[in-house]
Amino acid sequence: QVQLLESGPGLVRPSQTLSLTCIVSGDSVSSGNFCWSWIRQPAGKGLEWIGRFCNTGSTTYSPSLKSRVTISRDTSMNLFSLNLMSVTAADTAVYYCARERVDSAIVSRPSYFHYYYMAVWGKGTTVTVSS
Amino acid sequence: SYVLTQPPSVSVAPGETATITCGGNNIGSKSVHWYQQRPGQAPIVIMFYDTDRPSGIPERFSGSNSGNTATLTISRVEAGDEADYSCQVWDSSSDQAVFGGGTKLTVL
Repeated sequence: QVQLLESGPGLVRPSQTLSLTCIVSGDSVSSGNFCWSWIRQPAGKGLEWIGRFCNTGSTTYSPSLKSRVTISRDTSMNLFSLNLMSVTAADTAVYYCARERVDSAIVSRPSYFHYYYMAVWGKGTTVTVSS
Repeated sequence: SYVLTQPPSVSVAPGETATITCGGNNIGSKSVHWYQQRPGQAPIVIMFYDTDRPSGIPERFSGSNSGNTATLTISRVEAGDEADYSCQVWDSSSDQAVFGGGTKLTVL
C-alpha cells in the first residue's frame, strides 16, 4: 500500500525558496499511470492545488503560482519535490503531497488527464513564512 | 478560472440525511470528486467520478451531478461523519484542479 510523507523546513524566510520533498513508500514513483501533486491549505481555509508531475512526463501548475513553482521527480530516491520561490506570508500553509490516479477504463479517452483525482494523501507538513 | 461554490456549513441530527452541494457553471459536464477532512487530519477521497466510492467508504455516502450542481448525500449520519467536505473538478480552460471552499458538517 503506497504511503506518502512530506519533509522539509517548517520555517522559511520571506523572499526565500520553500523546498519540500514527498517520500514515496510501497510503490515506485515512476511506475503506473499516476501523477504526483502538491496541494496546500492555509489555516482555516480551503484546499488549493499547486501542481503536478505525471509519469507521462508532463508537468502542470496552477496559473496563479506558475511563475514561482517547480515540481520534479527523483526516481533514484523514490520521491518528488516542490520548490516555491520568492515566498511571502501568504504562502504560509499546510502543504500536502498526493498521488493522483485515473481509472484504467478512462485512459483511452483523448482528454483522460482531466479525470485524475487525489487518491492517496500524505499527512501534511506545516510551513510558516516569517522573518 | 472556474469557481466551485459550497455552503460553509451544514448541520444534521444523528440518523438523518445530510446533503452537501457543490455549485459550478455546467458542472454536470465535468467529473466531480469529493474529499473528507477530519479535524487535524489530511483529506481522503470519499467519492470520485461523481458517484464512485473507494473501497472502505460506507454505502451511506452517495453522489450525483447534473446541471449546475453536484451533490454529496450522507444517509443515516453518524457522529464520526463530522468533518469538512470539499468538492473538486478539473478546469480544462485554465488547466488546473479546482477545489470548492469546503463545507463543515456538524452532527448535532
